[in-house]
Amino acid sequence: DAGVIQSPRHEVTEMGQEVTLRCKPISGHNSLFWYRQTMMRGLELLIYFNNNVPIDDSGMPEDRFSAKMPNASFSTLKIQPSEPRDSAVYFCASRTGGDQPQHFGDGTRLSIL
Amino acid sequence: QKEVEQNSGPLSVPEGAIASLNCTYSDRGSQSFFWYRQYSGKSPELIMSIYSNGDKEDGRFTAQLNKASQYVSLLIRDSQPSDSATYLCAVNRSQGNLIFGKGTKLSVKP
Repeated sequence: DAGVIQSPRHEVTEMGQEVTLRCKPISGHNSLFWYRQTMMRGLELLIYFNNNVPIDDSGMPEDRFSAKMPNASFSTLKIQPSEPRDSAVYFCASRTGGDQPQHFGDGTRLSIL
Repeated sequence: QKEVEQNSGPLSVPEGAIASLNCTYSDRGSQSFFWYRQYSGKSPELIMSIYSNGDKEDGRFTAQLNKASQYVSLLIRDSQPSDSATYLCAVNRSQGNLIFGKGTKLSVKP
């Protein structure tokens, strides 16, 4: 079975540019999560969706970040404009029911110069 | 108090020994608990889920849960160098999302 698929795997861009990260959850999973991981702060939840509806976006750092889930098989996380402090690994994860574990994609390593 | 706390380590054990990893959490309404393993440069990988008080064994791994003490642990028996990784404790909040600890780095020395 295909796992969570993220693209791109690596992104290097200059400060001020728009960055779009993509995620395809596991088929049949109805919850999707976006995380950011840094050495200093560990794994932080940015936003999560249930049945394509955003439930909690309190972890989104500021208005420069936005996320969408137009259908059950696709989500995007957008940063505009990007800043060097946004450099991190961004993970997408999905799960079925509320008490089931999350399964992670391979992540996107983002570097903002 | 942080929501999920783990000793950051590094925890160093000799090959063949038992590695013991601990985690405490603050949300008394939490009902499901998970251990993830993360190799350097890779994504977190689920290794254990536990939902009830007591022990749950899966191969060389045993997860232990004590809800009264708000404590979760992971034991790795017969530790191997390939077990060297960061182990993340994750707790399902009563609101439905997972909160992760910062992880314990385990090093198994041959």
